[in-house]
Amino acid sequence: ELKVEQNPLFLSMQEGKNYTIYCNYSTTSDRLYWYRQDPGKSLESLFVLLSNGAVKQEGRLMASLDTKARLSTLHITAAVHDLSATYFCAVGFNAGGTSYGKLTFGQGTILTVHP
Amino acid sequence: KAGVTQTPRYLIKTRGQQVTLSCSPISGHRSVSWYQQTPGQGLQFLFEYFSETQRNKGNFPGRFSGRQFSNSRSEMNVSTLELGDSALYLCASSLGGVGGYQETQYFGPGTRLLVL
Repeated sequence: ELKVEQNPLFLSMQEGKNYTIYCNYSTTSDRLYWYRQDPGKSLESLFVLLSNGAVKQEGRLMASLDTKARLSTLHITAAVHDLSATYFCAVGFNAGGTSYGKLTFGQGTILTVHP
Repeated sequence: KAGVTQTPRYLIKTRGQQVTLSCSPISGHRSVSWYQQTPGQGLQFLFEYFSETQRNKGNFPGRFSGRQFSNSRSEMNVSTLELGDSALYLCASSLGGVGGYQETQYFGPGTRLLVL
């Protein structure tokens, strides 16, 4: 069974600081996704990482994927208050075509950015 | 392009009742997946439909069922509601890859179900 684990689960940051959220998964996967969820809202797609060594950046967020280590990171640079949200990684796993449409999510990291 | 829409947005039911939730995918998307989100269990996959066929199912009891119509709209039904079914139910749509390819899933706003 595919397991996806994030750490830390809670992250309190000061504005202007850098930090990294880690996402480990237990089985080979062909897709790794990062989503953001604001309180009471739905999930917003941030990144999709398709191959080993993939790196994507959007504003102050940068995501990377190491398929050999089964590890993805979400790096936050010079945090601002607007980044406060819950961040989820999710893994799509294709096992002979039986995993269509199924994402397995990590527990989520609640990020709070303080002035 | 309009996003994924879900109705109703909020619902209050009592134990033993049944409920039907609706999801309209992004135009052109043929795959609809459903997820349950609770504080205790997080986000859990319920099932996925593509071209009116259920292609994948999560580990939920048979009280949870779904279907998809020819216009790709999907409904999920929960019968004999239990207190533990209180959750945010999210649907997500994608193009619906062939050959095992999975595209980004785009999520709707969710239906918040409270079972009393």
